[in-house]
Amino acid sequence: EVKLVESGGGLVQPGGSLRLSCVVSGLTFSNYWMAWVRQAPGKGLEWEAGIKPDGSEKFYVDSVKGRFTISRDNAKNSLYLQMNSLRVEDTAVYYCVSSQGYWGQGTLVTVSS
Amino acid sequence: QAVVTQEPSLTVSPGGTVTLTCGSSTGAVTSGHYSYWFQQKPGQAPRTLIYDTSNKHSWTPARFSGSLLGGKAALTLSGAQPEDEAEYYCLLSYSGVGVFGGGTKLTVL
Repeated sequence: EVKLVESGGGLVQPGGSLRLSCVVSGLTFSNYWMAWVRQAPGKGLEWEAGIKPDGSEKFYVDSVKGRFTISRDNAKNSLYLQMNSLRVEDTAVYYCVSSQGYWGQGTLVTVSS
Repeated sequence: QAVVTQEPSLTVSPGGTVTLTCGSSTGAVTSGHYSYWFQQKPGQAPRTLIYDTSNKHSWTPARFSGSLLGGKAALTLSGAQPEDEAEYYCLLSYSGVGVFGGGTKLTVL
């Protein structure tokens, strides 16, 4: 069974930082593109960042470039999202997603003073 | 960045057939966009129905199929069931950058 488990969400003040993690099991992690997708309350899905299987290339949506960094550790079957300079509008449930479309259950990030 | 367009809402009768589409502002959708289709019900995480245009997961009901149709990605539901009422999102890849459509609210009525 494939499982993706996110962690690291929580309440943070505007301008603050958080690091999200996603541990993957049940598939050969190093073979898969990975991505972070978010969903603000009552809104649609938004793709934020993606990374190649070997970590050699990373891709970002314009709104998070320079603030968010995606990374992975294939030895630990783990995906990360370092989020800096957080804004109120970054409040959302963050999901890690693999190529072929395996999803985690999400972790809630709330940016508020 | 590109804009991906979906029908905001569609209605299908139980047992009926409906096609949801996913268009790109940059032109025709091709296999190189690796289109995905996701289903989301209220209070639940999304689940993937289709990946890479037409591939299904083990949990994807046989009544769902993915294709390219008229320059768009398409999700066809044949024999709609009440439990298919949900929000459906498509995702296209643009050289590694993903863009979601705004979602289609499908009503089975």
